[in-house]
Amino acid sequence: QKEVEQDPGPLSVPEGAIVSLNCTYSNSAFQYFMWYRQYSRKGPELLMYTYSSGNKEDGRFTAQVDKSSKYISLFIRDSQPSDSATYLCAMTEPFQGAQKLVFGQGTRLTINP
Amino acid sequence: DSGVTQTPKHLITATGQRVTLRCSPRSGDLSVYWYQQSLDQGLQFLIQYYNGEERAKGNILERFSAQQFPDLHSELNLSSLELGDSALYFCASSVGWDEQFFGPGTRLTVL
Repeated sequence: QKEVEQDPGPLSVPEGAIVSLNCTYSNSAFQYFMWYRQYSRKGPELLMYTYSSGNKEDGRFTAQVDKSSKYISLFIRDSQPSDSATYLCAMTEPFQGAQKLVFGQGTRLTINP
Repeated sequence: DSGVTQTPKHLITATGQRVTLRCSPRSGDLSVYWYQQSLDQGLQFLIQYYNGEERAKGNILERFSAQQFPDLHSELNLSSLELGDSALYFCASSVGWDEQFFGPGTRLTVL
């Protein structure tokens, strides 16, 4: 079983819809929780990160962490075709005196005009 | 554009060969990370360097090695290549540990 589970999709929704992306994890040592967006043939870019349980909002994006359930979510409001990409959740764990990023498989999202 | 550059963009080689991937971090970033992305394993951490010194080692095979030079650019050397080494290789850099900026990647195909 992987430490971080993420449904690879693909997920296809109409423009303007609210999108919900989720990850579950098993490692209680994970400390920081992040969402990356990766466009085709590009490197991942950091969208949001958070440390504590609860919600964090940035424009149309909301990241939610529930440490008790080991579950994190990313919500995208008023989705746009430009949001079409692969979304990867990532978590950090203490590792050899540093912090190591552990990624989910990524969910491929398509927003249809 | 993240400010991290990687060369080459694409690399096609044969089994048993050796290749070198190059990464230039963002100006001022002392940490460089290498990742491998494949369809079955996803994005996996390989190794981290900080200011020329190895900082942390992840799922890096013994056939692979890396180094960071005094000008902070880094190279990932892959030897005795196998078909299963075909993947995207990303370099990332950061000031601290939290926000890592990824380069565009090198797509390696081993035939």
